Amino acid sequence: YEVTQPPSVSLSPGQTARITCSGHALTKQYVYWYQKKPGQAPVTVIYRDSERPSGIPERFSGSSSGTTVTLTISGVQAVDEADYYCQSADSSGTYHVFGGGTKLTVL
Amino acid sequence: QVQLVESGGGLVTPGGSLRLSCAASRFNFSDYYMSWIRQVPGKGLECVAYISKGGSDMYYADSLKGRFTISRDNTKNSLYLQMDSLRAEDTAVYYCARGDKGRDGDYQGGFDYWGQGTLVTVSS
Repeated sequence: YEVTQPPSVSLSPGQTARITCSGHALTKQYVYWYQKKPGQAPVTVIYRDSERPSGIPERFSGSSSGTTVTLTISGVQAVDEADYYCQSADSSGTYHVFGGGTKLTVL
Repeated sequence: QVQLVESGGGLVTPGGSLRLSCAASRFNFSDYYMSWIRQVPGKGLECVAYISKGGSDMYYADSLKGRFTISRDNTKNSLYLQMDSLRAEDTAVYYCARGDKGRDGDYQGGFDYWGQGTLVTVSS
């Protein structure tokens, strides 16, 4: 089972970043989004498709439509430059899978 | 604030063994699924293994082919990963992560807190 993300997204500060994650089991399983910067531990920015952990800026949001889930960063800032990974499970919930990661570049 | 601190990483020769530990604090450890996740240099994240709250159920990535064993000691608030028959391709940073728990207490399939990671290098 796989989930698919675009390899890269580039945009200017203040623009809105939308990173998609697609997989046939996403209608049945939650999706999580993790931010990963070089040399740092991953940080959970969205859990259960659209929930934002405390301490994560409001500009981060998640949404779901069918077999595609989207991480949206509204008004992207230079500090948001990182790799973003979606993660979910197969329809049984047993096999956990990460997307290949999307490199967000803030120009 | 939840704290997860990994230890036990280092340099090991191919075919060797290593045991990673993760010390958990500031939450009720026995109420949560736990996992080991790794990142090979320059590559993405991979769920290596996860374990149920009581330790009776474990899952492993297919790529490991029985070489790794995940375990936990709820009396010591600790998670472990025994890695045997190590290969060069196991070189990675290994992270300990806490499973997301819903209001009903059930594991939701993802992770909410992560440790800082420990580097494992397999090389001769």
